[in-house]
Amino acid sequence: EVVMTQSPATLSVSPGERATLSCRASQSVSSNLAWYQQKPGQAPRLLIHGASTRATGIPARFSGSGSGTDFTLTISSLQSEDFAVYYCQQYNNWPPRGTFGQGTKVEIK
Amino acid sequence: QVQLVESGGGLVKPGGSLRLSCAASGFSFSDSSMSWIRQTPGKRLESVSYISRSGDTIFYADSVKGRFTISRDNAKNSLYLQINSLRDEDTAVYYCAWDVRTRGFFDYWGQGTLVTVSS
Repeated sequence: EVVMTQSPATLSVSPGERATLSCRASQSVSSNLAWYQQKPGQAPRLLIHGASTRATGIPARFSGSGSGTDFTLTISSLQSEDFAVYYCQQYNNWPPRGTFGQGTKVEIK
Repeated sequence: QVQLVESGGGLVKPGGSLRLSCAASGFSFSDSSMSWIRQTPGKRLESVSYISRSGDTIFYADSVKGRFTISRDNAKNSLYLQINSLRDEDTAVYYCAWDVRTRGFFDYWGQGTLVTVSS
């Protein structure tokens, strides 16, 4: 099974600042990597797929990069609504094996 | 608009059973592969089961194989998950999710239904 490791566990950022979240795969997943945002009491929301393609309706301040084993989600200028937990997910060997990272919480500094 | 509405969760004793349902609307359900994903109290996400649009291809996570059964009724636009021999570690919010392009990432999620396994 491909293990996804996210860092840091918690990121404290001031509104308007840039946030950089990391996700590492235990083996290459090519560009088969998605990012999701989850707010309390809500289901995850797809932000990025194909490592760098924004999903429909996702603001341009969200960007993804990377391939192989190392990936990054960047939020260029944090808005109040961006404080949430972010998960990465690899889907390189889908179906059936798509595995998620443990999440990074972005909190207000 | 796309809607996925889960139901059927609840409190059940270890060894018990539940049947989860997901009512889909706003898209062509019969042309769509579907999945169940669960989120544990520790917030870990796990893809539990997958079913192709016709139902002829089905996969399960190793952790639920032999205990969970996924099915669908395309005439009713509904997805199901029969969960048997429940264990404490099955406690989670169960989401149904639609993978629009059948690529393995999930564009749409329901609001989830909570399954709590406790004696």
